[in-house]
Amino acid sequence: DGGITQSPKYLFRKEGQNVTLSCEQNLNHDAMYWYRQDPGQGLRLIYYSQIVNDFQKGDIAEGYSVSREKKESFPLTVTSAQKNPTAFYLCASSNSEASYNEQFFGPGTRLTVL
Amino acid sequence: EDQVTQSPEALRLQEGESSSLNCSYTVSGLRGLFWYRQDPGKGPEFLFTLYSAGEEKEKERLKATLTKKESFLHITAPKPEDSATYLCAVRANTGRRALTFGSGTRLQVQP
Repeated sequence: DGGITQSPKYLFRKEGQNVTLSCEQNLNHDAMYWYRQDPGQGLRLIYYSQIVNDFQKGDIAEGYSVSREKKESFPLTVTSAQKNPTAFYLCASSNSEASYNEQFFGPGTRLTVL
Repeated sequence: EDQVTQSPEALRLQEGESSSLNCSYTVSGLRGLFWYRQDPGKGPEFLFTLYSAGEEKEKERLKATLTKKESFLHITAPKPEDSATYLCAVRANTGRRALTFGSGTRLQVQP
């Protein structure tokens, strides 16, 4: 089955800790994205990557970091500098060769700060 | 700055009661407008892409339409399983491929 997997499904973080959220895709997509969703709000872009070893800041990148060492993987680290990290995190991927570049989403990781 | 506004924020319908959801947008050159369905605690599920004014797409009880300023998602004779949040997003005709999302419409269909 082709798709996007995210792990863990639930994550709890103590104050001052860094945590890493995993995102893997086997769709052979070259572009990958991280979004954050807060209750009652739309998705906001954190980081995106259009090719391996390259990534760009989105609209709310402060307090987050990413890497893109493999085409299939785009992990997101939530650092202690992120002041309000409790949210639902969504990873997406797309085929940049496709005309309209539809994005497909993983199941999400819910992060809670204790 | 690209903006997407969805209305209403929430909509409650009786089973079989047709209605429409609205997505108004401002974007510097529209590359595509996307509709997604999101169930609670899950990732958004892709529904439609619309590209140019006048275009329509259909899937089961859903039909999406597009004008130069807004898109409508028409739901015909909805069923309780259509209950979800419906998200609208736009992609501008720039190098950035990321989407700008609206805050969604929460639809509840009662039996």
